[in-house]
Amino acid sequence: EIVLTQSPGTLSLSPGERATLSCRASQSVGSSYLAWYQQKPGQAPRLLIYGASSRATAIPDRFSGSGSGTDFTLTISRLEPEDFAVYYCQQFGTSPWTFGQGTKVEI
Amino acid sequence: QVQLVESGGGVVQPGGSLRLSCAASGFTLSTYGMHWVRQAPGKGLEWVAFIRYDESYTYYTDSVKGRFTISRDNSKNTLYLQMSSLRAEDTALYYCAKAIVGSTWSPFDYWGQGTLVTVSS
Repeated sequence: EIVLTQSPGTLSLSPGERATLSCRASQSVGSSYLAWYQQKPGQAPRLLIYGASSRATAIPDRFSGSGSGTDFTLTISRLEPEDFAVYYCQQFGTSPWTFGQGTKVEI
Repeated sequence: QVQLVESGGGVVQPGGSLRLSCAASGFTLSTYGMHWVRQAPGKGLEWVAFIRYDESYTYYTDSVKGRFTISRDNSKNTLYLQMSSLRAEDTALYYCAKAIVGSTWSPFDYWGQGTLVTVSS
């Protein structure tokens, strides 16, 4: 099983600031089978980024992903009020599909 | 538009059974792999099970193997999760989720709103 470790656990920032979230895999995630999701309280997760760097439909360009192998990053260039949420990375290249424990981005 | 609507959750005693359903609309269910993902109260996301678009194979997380069965009825556009021998640690909000493409190894682009399963005596 590929274990994903996200850091930091909580990120305290202000609107307009840049957020950098990290996801480290216990073994290589082949061919960038890495995705990022956003979850707000009381809502289902929403796909943001897949293939490590491709934005999903209707995701604004302030969200970007990078990385390969075992180290991946989600960057939010300028935080908007609606971006304060929990973010999860996920690997989808092998079973079991696994998620990181989440990073909470708070004001 | 794509919609996934889960149902069938509730309160069940340890050792009991429950069947969850996920009604799909806005896309052709038979061409996509489908997943169940759960989230215990206040916790993170845990993938539970996958079924290929043609039902040719399924995958399960270790903790539910032999107890849960994922299935689908493409004619009814419905995904199922039959859960038996339920334990307290199965208490969670259960989401169904659609794979973004027909490939097995793809992320999840649509999620339902979830159905809550509580295992308690």
